Amino acid sequence: QVQLQESGPGLVKPSETLSLTCTVSGGSISSYYWSWIRQPPGKGLEWLGYIYYTGSTNSNPSLKSRVTVSVDTSKKQVSLKVTTVTAADTAVYYCATTRLGYFSNGVFHHDMTFDYWGQGTPVTVSS
Amino acid sequence: QSALTQAPSASGSPGQSVTISCTGTSSDVGGYNSVSWYQQHPGKAPKVMIYEVSKRPSGVPDRFSGSKSGNTASLTVSGLQAEDEADYFCSSYAGSNTVVFGGGTSLTVL
Repeated sequence: QVQLQESGPGLVKPSETLSLTCTVSGGSISSYYWSWIRQPPGKGLEWLGYIYYTGSTNSNPSLKSRVTVSVDTSKKQVSLKVTTVTAADTAVYYCATTRLGYFSNGVFHHDMTFDYWGQGTPVTVSS
Repeated sequence: QSALTQAPSASGSPGQSVTISCTGTSSDVGGYNSVSWYQQHPGKAPKVMIYEVSKRPSGVPDRFSGSKSGNTASLTVSGLQAEDEADYFCSSYAGSNTVVFGGGTSLTVL
């Protein structure tokens, strides 16, 4: 079973760039799409973006200009960068496998289900 | 994109059934059969309980069921057990390969 482990600085200063890494084990990085999802303290979940091993990516329109997701297949790692952070970016950040959908009877069925999750890594934005 | 709407809390006694609702629009919940439900215990990562509106992943008890009517999806937990006490989040495909989540419902087993 695939396992995911997030890592990165737990404290980032306002206006700086948040950088996190998700290391994949127990499975092939080419088998899934990989998403970043975050959860501010006491609040709900927010999808940030996904990437495929080919480099194909997509991001949440509300954050698109600030979010970059990248992949290093040789290291089996997926990375996240969020630029110009503020206190509102304080959250637990998760990486997760993502099913985009499938073809059935010639029709594509959209999905976007997150099957496997990392344990999450907390990030605080503060000076 | 706007977050899907969930009631902040729900409760039920052991053995009872409880239904949690998730309301969106025709651009997300109502437009696709792509609603998922996640269970999250305190300090833990979410776990998928339902996908594609009503399908259960392997290992999820059949006490958990999902449905959808129009722009509203529902998660029903039957035969409530103490370990079902958790936060539950819905999500829906929202077009252009994006997804939107609900704000979450805290389920209390009385």
